[in-house]
Order: sequence, then C-alpha cells, then structure tokens
Amino acid sequence: DADVTQTPRNRITKTGKRIMLECSQTKGHDRMYWYRQDPGLGLRLIYYSFDVKDINKGEISDGYSVSRQAQAKFSLSLESAIPNQTALYFCATSDSGSGDTEAFFGQGTRLTVV
Amino acid sequence: KNQVEQSPQSLIILEGKNCTLQCNYTVSPFSNLRWYKQDTGRGPVSLTIMTFSENTKSNGRYTATLDADTKQSSLHITASQLSDSASYICVVSEVDSWGKLQFGAGTQVVVTP
Repeated sequence: DADVTQTPRNRITKTGKRIMLECSQTKGHDRMYWYRQDPGLGLRLIYYSFDVKDINKGEISDGYSVSRQAQAKFSLSLESAIPNQTALYFCATSDSGSGDTEAFFGQGTRLTVV
Repeated sequence: KNQVEQSPQSLIILEGKNCTLQCNYTVSPFSNLRWYKQDTGRGPVSLTIMTFSENTKSNGRYTATLDADTKQSSLHITASQLSDSASYICVVSEVDSWGKLQFGAGTQVVVTP
C-alpha cells in the first residue's frame, strides 16, 4: 500500500462545480502539502500544513481551500472549479523531526475542468 | 522568475548510453538540493540529496554533482536503461525554509531500445 494516498486518481468536472481532492498518509509525518503540476512548469505550492491546527497559503492559493482533518488527512477543495484549474495535483508529506526536507508524494490526481 | 532552471527540457538517448542533465539555481541561502525521478503517472521520488559541502553523490547508476559557488548541479545517468525513461526534477531548499521547496520544471528523458 502507498504511504501517501490520493483520491480520486482522475476526475472530470464541470465549470462552477465544487470538488474535493483527498489525501491520507501512513508515514506519521506532521507536515503535509498540496502542489499543482502543469506542463512545462515546476510543481507549485498551493497550501501547506505543519500540524492539525496549522494552515498556510502557498504561492498559488487563490481559488483553493484546504482542511486538515487529522494528522494523517489533508484535503484540497475547489469551491467553484474553472478550466484553468485543469492540472495534475499532488499531495506530499515531510517529517519536521528528521531535519530533512525530503518530500514524499502521492500518485497524483488528474483533474479536468470542462 | 523560476529560481530553478533545468536543461535540456527533453532528450532522447539510446539504451546503454550515458547522459547528463543540468540544473542552475538562484535560491539563497542554499540548504540542499535534491534530484527527483518522476515516472509517468506517478509522484516524484527522491534520488539524491546534496548539501552545501558535498560535491558529488551517487545512487547506483545515477551520479549527482554540485558546485555551490556557481549554483549549478548535474545528474549523470550511466548505461541508461529503458526504466530510466522519466522526468527528472531538480528541487532546491532554502535555509530555514520550513520545508518550502523550489522545483525546476524537469527534464523529460526517453530511453529508446
């Protein structure tokens, strides 16, 4: 089983719809992240959370919101999806206690907004 | 402007041949640099990590180099295999960056028989 699991893996939704992407992890890490990947661009940070009560905006948070329901769960919502939010979305975790910055990624969610 | 630039954008190599990927960065103050491998349809996976004091590090057929003075890194793949076909992403971390990472756009490598 994957350490970082994202659901759904693929989703097609219509403009204006609300959609939630979910992420769960079994690594016991305290830090969780949501990234977006577009062709020709590096991964860009949407939101990050360092513990259950901590939520921070990344560089491209507009149009997105998140919820850290538990240490192991971090969900990303698009309140009103628009076509330019079509992208590959990755959840990642890291461990603050190790002093290392290695990020462990889920398999990704391919979102298409039509 | 992206603080991490990778080249080439893509390359095609014959199985068994070697190749070198480049990464230039402007991130400062520099903490460490990782190379990730991203297979199609999967999340990136770390290959190597290099800190300021390290010049070279190997992981099997992958060898990364770092020149912190010129802010350049390279990833050399030796005796390429079909399974090396993937995107290779350079990721740089700042000192005290609380886990914030700067990602390059990646180099897409295709290994052909």
